[in-house]
Amino acid sequence: NAGVTQTPKFQVLKTGQSMTLQCAQDMNHEYMSWYRQDPGMGLRLIHYSVGAGITDQGEVPNGYNVSRSTTEDFPLRLLSAAPSQTSVYFCASSYASGNTIYFGEGSWLTVV
Amino acid sequence: AQTVTQSQPEMSVQEAETVTLSCTYDTSESDYYLFWYKQPPSRQMILVIRQEAYKQQNATENRFSVNFQKAAKSFSLKISDSQLGDAAMYFCALNTGKLIFGQGTTLQVKP
Repeated sequence: NAGVTQTPKFQVLKTGQSMTLQCAQDMNHEYMSWYRQDPGMGLRLIHYSVGAGITDQGEVPNGYNVSRSTTEDFPLRLLSAAPSQTSVYFCASSYASGNTIYFGEGSWLTVV
Repeated sequence: AQTVTQSQPEMSVQEAETVTLSCTYDTSESDYYLFWYKQPPSRQMILVIRQEAYKQQNATENRFSVNFQKAAKSFSLKISDSQLGDAAMYFCALNTGKLIFGQGTTLQVKP
């Protein structure tokens, strides 16, 4: 049982490049979310999904796209990376809104 | 809109003493869940305690307990008999299907 798996763990991008952060869970969870955490700050919700084919914007969606074609996967796409997107990104999943939330280990992204 | 506010950026407590971390929230939903998470320097997110909004009884988990005041939309965390290992950043979170976090409170435990 792998839980929530995020890849890559570390990435350096140049301004303007695009990339995809991968998130996969093997627990058949309906709810999945992406967060960013800047130094000394809380987790801010980027996008979330309540099931395959359903996504919605969170608090800070600009510059990011998501899709949910399967229950297991919820990739986060950076369209044109900017230095302001340098952050630690967390993926999370849960069976339902009140259930235990499982977090990935985080992806450290630096945009230069 | 859904918001979570933690008004204490930093707190400190003497080892073995008790400390209370504050959290207020706002939502128009009637059915929701509240959580406290601990984040040590490793950045791992560790669930501390969970409260269902429909339950009046305050949740307790060993040395951790909450004071849930639904009408006031307040959800504070009390840590009793503080230990050095409790030092971390603590986040309050509100889940209505959309999980939102507060800004966090850094807790320092002094020996």
